[in-house]
Amino acid sequence: EPEVTQTPSHQVTQMGQEVILRCVPISNHLYFYWYRQILGQKVEFLVSFYNNEISEKSEIFDDQFSVERPDGSNFTLKIRSTKLEDSAMYFCASSDTSGGVYNEQFFGPGTRLTVL
Amino acid sequence: GIQVEQSPPDLILQEGANSTLRCNFSDSVNNLQWFHQNPWGQLINLFYIPSGTKQNGRLSATTVATERYSLLYISSSQTTDSGVYFCAVENYGGATNKLIFGTGTLLAVQP
Repeated sequence: EPEVTQTPSHQVTQMGQEVILRCVPISNHLYFYWYRQILGQKVEFLVSFYNNEISEKSEIFDDQFSVERPDGSNFTLKIRSTKLEDSAMYFCASSDTSGGVYNEQFFGPGTRLTVL
Repeated sequence: GIQVEQSPPDLILQEGANSTLRCNFSDSVNNLQWFHQNPWGQLINLFYIPSGTKQNGRLSATTVATERYSLLYISSSQTTDSGVYFCAVENYGGATNKLIFGTGTLLAVQP
């Protein structure tokens, strides 16, 4: 069964460093998402991406964040200068929402980011 | 924006017991999904259920979209059912398909 994959599973970084989180969405999906979950809290939407551009972003997704689909398979989230409060689990998701039909989002296993 | 509330916030069960988790939402939705977050933090898709009833083994779910709630039933609970259960919705007429998550129900199943 197709699945969303994410690398790395864990990332430890120093405050101020840049990190890139990687995701491989399900191959025939068209919409891609990043969510994050601070420890003990609910999952929050960060950004959605469709047709090679951001379609919506949340207030959390400030200038320190960027997303990219550098090739036909990968989808990345970059944090330019990490802060302590960026420590969280980051989830990538994808869905095949086409023709006006709303479909299920499938989530990857997450990357646990720790900023020291 | 749309509000998603889950109840109860915490639940302790003995193995073999049944339970019902509830998700209330404040506006019309296109999509509703139930997830189980396991102890490793992974979000496991349980149901995609914007309306109607579905069953998968010991789990079943019902969404009554007109009354803006969804229920997740767990029967004959097992210790492996422990974890956090999240409901997430996609607001009807929203700009994109983002999911808004509830605060979750923390379930502990004791042997």
